[in-house]
Amino acid sequence: ETGVTQSPTHLIKTRGQQVTLRCSSQSGHNTVSWYQQALGQGPQFIFQYYREEENGRGNFPPRFSGLQFPNYSSELNVNALELDDSALYLCASSFQTSSGRAKNEQFFGPGTRLTVL
Amino acid sequence: AQKVTQAQTEISVVEKEDVTLDCVYETRDTTYYLFWYKQPPSGELVFLIRRNSFDEQNEISGRYSWNFQKSTSSFNFTITASQVVDSAVYFCALSEETGANNLFFGTGTRLTVIP
Repeated sequence: ETGVTQSPTHLIKTRGQQVTLRCSSQSGHNTVSWYQQALGQGPQFIFQYYREEENGRGNFPPRFSGLQFPNYSSELNVNALELDDSALYLCASSFQTSSGRAKNEQFFGPGTRLTVL
Repeated sequence: AQKVTQAQTEISVVEKEDVTLDCVYETRDTTYYLFWYKQPPSGELVFLIRRNSFDEQNEISGRYSWNFQKSTSSFNFTITASQVVDSAVYFCALSEETGANNLFFGTGTRLTVIP
């Protein structure tokens, strides 16, 4: 068991709505990354948070935003939902040193499956 | 630019057969990390292995083995004596030294082991 948890498991929204997904990182980890996995595709990097600040971002529009809290848990917020946002959203936690250069393995949660109608 | 290619979309084997999953990567970094993850039907990505670019030693873990060859930019994964529980989608991924600690994934290979 990885220790990374995500909620909710499933979610159905309509186009134009907003959604918040949550992730609790594994004990001892200080970094959270979010990925979007469309059906039949590999996960795509959305962004990463390290010590409560965004530490890198993939090719996603600003309506995808996030937060990391002092306990290293994280939220992913998506505004103005579009049909193409339907996907499995995966959260991964890892540990980085203060130099940010330790590329340790990321451990994934079970994901939240979002359906936009 | 970074890229991971898994040319095999789907593979089916009969139980106890050996199977190799191919992975080819592209990166301009001299320091990088390669990973394999398993995604069973439940959806959770399960970490299998990490290899850094300076370590070309092959690795064996039980029925799993990995062959890393920098000369051909490949990081192939072999399952020996496959079992039905090995049925899953397998992803190869790359992380570069520069930038955020994010993973670039291939499109995955769906392995079906037939009993």
